[in-house]
Amino acid sequence: DTGVSQDPRHKITKRGQNVTFRCDPISEHNRLYWYRQTLGQGPEFLTYFQNEAQLEKSRLLSDRFSAERPKGSFSTLEIQRTEQGDSAMYLCASSLGRWGRDHEQYFGPGTRLTVT
Amino acid sequence: GQQLNQSPQSMFIQEGEDVSMNCTSSSIFNTWLWYKQDPGEGPVLLIALYKAGELTSNGRLTAQFGITRKDSFLNISASIPSDVGIYFCAGQTLYNQGGKLIFGQGTELSVKP
Repeated sequence: DTGVSQDPRHKITKRGQNVTFRCDPISEHNRLYWYRQTLGQGPEFLTYFQNEAQLEKSRLLSDRFSAERPKGSFSTLEIQRTEQGDSAMYLCASSLGRWGRDHEQYFGPGTRLTVT
Repeated sequence: GQQLNQSPQSMFIQEGEDVSMNCTSSSIFNTWLWYKQDPGEGPVLLIALYKAGELTSNGRLTAQFGITRKDSFLNISASIPSDVGIYFCAGQTLYNQGGKLIFGQGTELSVKP
C-alpha cells in the first residue's frame, strides 16, 4: 500500500536553524497540500500544488517558509531561521484533484517539529 | 486561520453507547469530510459527503451533509474501545479555492470498556 509518506517523522532543532521536510504523495495524485497542526487544534492550510505549480499560499506561510514540488511528484517544505512558534506537526496530503471524489485528501503521518 | 465550530470538544462514554458530534460553519461548502486522528499520526478519512441532505454510512459510522450546506454531523453507533481518538470535520470548497480543507477544532472521544 503506497500511501502518503513523510520524512522525517520527528525533528528537533535549535532556534535559528533551517529545516527541510519531504512529502511523497500517493502515486498519480496531481494535488499536494501542506497543513500545520498545533496542539489541540485542527490542521490549518499552508499551501498547495497542482502538479509542479504552487497555486495558493496561506497568510500563515511567512517568507521564512518555502515549498517546492520540482517534478510534480515529491514536495519539500523548508523553514529558514526557525522560531519556537514554528513548533507544530506538519502534515502533507494528496488528491487526484480532478472532479468529485477525486478531491478527497489523504494524509501522511506528519513531521513533528520541535524548536528549542 | 478560519476554523469550523465543532462540538462537543470532548466526550467520555461507555463502550456500547452511541455518539453524536456536529460541525457548523458560517460559510457554504461543496463537500464535508470527517477524519479520525490517533496521537502522533495523520488524519484518516472516514466519510466524505457531496450533496446537501446526503446521508452516508461507513460501517458503524453515519454522517449527514446539512440542507443549508453549512453543517454536518457524525454518529457512531455501538462504540468500541478502538473508536478512541480525535474526530475532525472538514469543509471543502472546490471552486476558486483549490480544494483546501477547513477543519474544526476536533472532538476527543474516550471510550470506557
